Amino acid sequence: NTKITQSPRYLILGRANKSLECEQHLGHNAMYWYKQSAEKPPELMFLYNLKQLIRNETVPSRFIPECPDSSKLLLHISAVDPEDSAVYFCASSPQVFTGQLYFGEGSKLTVL
Amino acid sequence: AQKVTQTQTSISVMEKTTVTMDCVYETRDSSYFLFWYKQTASGEIVFLIRQDSYKKENATEGHYSLNFQKPKSSIGLIITATQIEDSAVYFCAMRDMNYNQGKLIFGQGTKLSIKP
Repeated sequence: NTKITQSPRYLILGRANKSLECEQHLGHNAMYWYKQSAEKPPELMFLYNLKQLIRNETVPSRFIPECPDSSKLLLHISAVDPEDSAVYFCASSPQVFTGQLYFGEGSKLTVL
Repeated sequence: AQKVTQTQTSISVMEKTTVTMDCVYETRDSSYFLFWYKQTASGEIVFLIRQDSYKKENATEGHYSLNFQKPKSSIGLIITATQIEDSAVYFCAMRDMNYNQGKLIFGQGTKLSIKP
């Protein structure tokens, strides 16, 4: 799926700061960050609609999302913890309440 | 609470056969949307098929079809003429408009293995 691109694809961190980036070329209004830990389904972290944060699940404060425009999503991570090791997926959907989500390739974070 | 349950942890079938994966859901909304996703070995999550709660006809998409039994809150995925490349983890998921405000809730997944 090249219509939702994420970078970097892989990152290995100690207790450092890093940002994940996502861009969708589908013209969708809603964008999401999901976290998938090993052997688990994806879990919603944040949901944006038309650049507005409308859903913020129970996520540690070291994760800060940003939506600079309607096609881009960032996830700033500070002082990562080993429990943050997971794959972080960006997703988008045409509307916020209906329709299927389309997922990016994911960014795999490994915390040493 | 909204919930999606997939009781089959893993299934193994022979190539070219038909397989059914089960999923039951709980919701307070009268209008909701059900989806099946496939996660490949590479980690890619792919949308397969969708069923809107107000539609009585079972959705079909290529060799995927759904068995939607609304009174039982059940949405099974049927894959016909399975191929080796169908081996993956399949997630059932649900969205509703009111109670969960657009959140896509996933089941735990069913790992499908297709044997040659």
